[in-house]
Amino acid sequence: AQSVTQLDSQVPVFEEAPVELRCNYSSSVSVYLFWYVQYPNQGLQLLLKYLSGSTLVKGINGFEAEFNKSQTSFHLRKPSVHISDTAEYFCAVMRAGTALIFGKGTTLSVSS
Amino acid sequence: DAGVTQSPTHLIKTRGQQVTLRCSPKSGHDTVSWYQQALGQGPQFIFQYYEEEERQRGNFPDRFSGHQFPNYSSELNVNALLLGDSALYLCASSRTGVTNSPLHFGNGTRLTVT
Repeated sequence: AQSVTQLDSQVPVFEEAPVELRCNYSSSVSVYLFWYVQYPNQGLQLLLKYLSGSTLVKGINGFEAEFNKSQTSFHLRKPSVHISDTAEYFCAVMRAGTALIFGKGTTLSVSS
Repeated sequence: DAGVTQSPTHLIKTRGQQVTLRCSPKSGHDTVSWYQQALGQGPQFIFQYYEEEERQRGNFPDRFSGHQFPNYSSELNVNALLLGDSALYLCASSRTGVTNSPLHFGNGTRLTVT
């Protein structure tokens, strides 16, 4: 079975600084990878997804992630964060035809 | 284009009671998945419905059951509520036949069991 580990539970950064949220996964077969964002009192919104092809994936709100098969990682990055990026971020993994499995989440706190 | 809608938004129940949560999928979607998100945790998969049948199930007891209607809407039922059932319940929809159709989530129902 596949699983997801988000290596940081909380990441505090200053506005306009770069940020990286780390995600490792484990699976014995090929998987598809996703990042979701959850703002307070809301559901989850898809930021980006990796299905196949280019290992660098660009998403909404200036976020991007890089799929690294050898290191089984899918880290999320943004070169310059805004206050409005403060939210909970979830990495998720899925095998074809199976349910989406989420990590425990990383709280990104952006301060001025 | 309406997204995934869930009702009610908040609910307070007593231990031992039963609860029903409702979900309408995004227009054009035919598959509904339910997740439980405990405070400070990631969403945990409960089950998925397609063509009015449960297709996949996570590690949840039989107290958790569901239904999907011909219009693709869905209900989640939880019997004999426990304090540990307090959580945000998220419904997500997708479209079968579209390769790895991403899940679209509703804003959830916050269930508090006292």
